[in-house]
Formats: sequence, C-alpha cells, structure tokens
Amino acid sequence: TQLLEQSPQFLSIQEGENLTVYCNSSSVFSSLQWYRQEPGEGPVLLVTVVTGGEVKKLKRLTFQFGDARKDSSLHITAAQTGDTGLYLCAGDRAGGTSYGKLTFGQGTILTVHP
Amino acid sequence: GAGVSQSPSNKVTEKGKDVELRCDPISGHTALYWYRQSLGQGLEFLIYFQGNSAPDKSGLPSDRFSAERTGGSVSTLTIQRTQQEDSAVYLCASSSYPSGRRSQETQYFGPGTRLLVL
Repeated sequence: TQLLEQSPQFLSIQEGENLTVYCNSSSVFSSLQWYRQEPGEGPVLLVTVVTGGEVKKLKRLTFQFGDARKDSSLHITAAQTGDTGLYLCAGDRAGGTSYGKLTFGQGTILTVHP
Repeated sequence: GAGVSQSPSNKVTEKGKDVELRCDPISGHTALYWYRQSLGQGLEFLIYFQGNSAPDKSGLPSDRFSAERTGGSVSTLTIQRTQQEDSAVYLCASSSYPSGRRSQETQYFGPGTRLLVL
C-alpha cells in the first residue's frame, strides 16, 4: 500500500498545454515537498509547503497543499520542453518521530513535446 | 564540496558479491538519509543517521544491508551477498534536521549510485 498516491504516473503533452499532477494520502503530513529529477541526477527540491491551504507559485508552477494537509497538487501552465522530467511528491508524516525522513509518491514522468 | 557527492556513480557486480557505496554529505549537515529508487519510481527510505548514530534503520530490506557513518560525515552503505533484486539507484541525502524550522530542513540529494547485479 502506497502511503502517497501520485497521479498520473505518465503524462505526455504538447508544448504550451497546461497540466496538473496530484498527490493524495489518507495520512496527515507536517510538510509536503515537490521534487524534479532528471536522468542520472538526484531529485532537486522545487518547493516545500507546510500550512494547510497554502499556495505557492514558482514562475509557471503552482503548488497547493490541501486544507487537511493530506494532499497536494502541482499545476504547470504553458508547459515547455524543459519541464520534461520525473516529478516526485514527498511528505514528512505528522505525529510521532519521523526524523524528517520523507515518504515519496511513485512519481510522474512528464514528457513535453515540441 | 558544495553538494552531496556519492561514489561510485555506477557499479556492476555479480550475484553473491559484496558492494560498498559511499556518501559525502554537505559539510555541517548532521542528518543523513539513504534511499533506494527503482527505475522511474519514487524513493524508498532505507536508513537515517543523526551524527554517527542511526536512530531509524526501519527501511533496510534485509540483514544483508548495513550502513555506518564516521566522524559525523561520510557514510557507507554495504550490501552483502548481492541479489539481482538489489539492482537500483541508491541515493543519499543530507539536511540540517533538526533545525527547529521545518521549512529549512531541506534534504539535498546526491546524484546516486546505479547498482546493477548480474
């Protein structure tokens, strides 16, 4: 059973289109992060959200943390070929001692075609 | 160095052999994490170090896996008697946890070691 369900697993779109990636759980998280990973490299942090209902914008990327801190979404406006990569959501579970370790979703492989 | 480094970047080994994977965290980061990533998938937590101690080893898949950290810096992940199912990318991350401010406890990842067990 995956603690963080990420969808869709694959996304293939044309340049200029919009897209949304979802990350859902039945558990509450203290914080939720979105990473982007390119082949041969480690994940690179895009954003951390810590407050329920929080919305953060990073240029064409909009990140939202659910009110109950159980889900999050990443929306990309006017996708570009440079957005191609593996997008990962990861959460730091609330309550108990998590030591800051992250629980990751399965990832979304995004391909943006010119 | 400025970031997390890992070595080797690639390792091909035969089933049954032992392998050692190394991680050099960002200087000053007391927390160090090992994760495993299967092809195109999310990351699976293996072990967490705080200084030289490992308070959480809950993700190690079997007793063939062990890790140590010395001097509060370099860490080594050892896999004994490797199996084909051990083939994956092993990623190391470090952070300033616990800093008291969640938003500042970013985990910085190394490039990973790609392990292939034949």
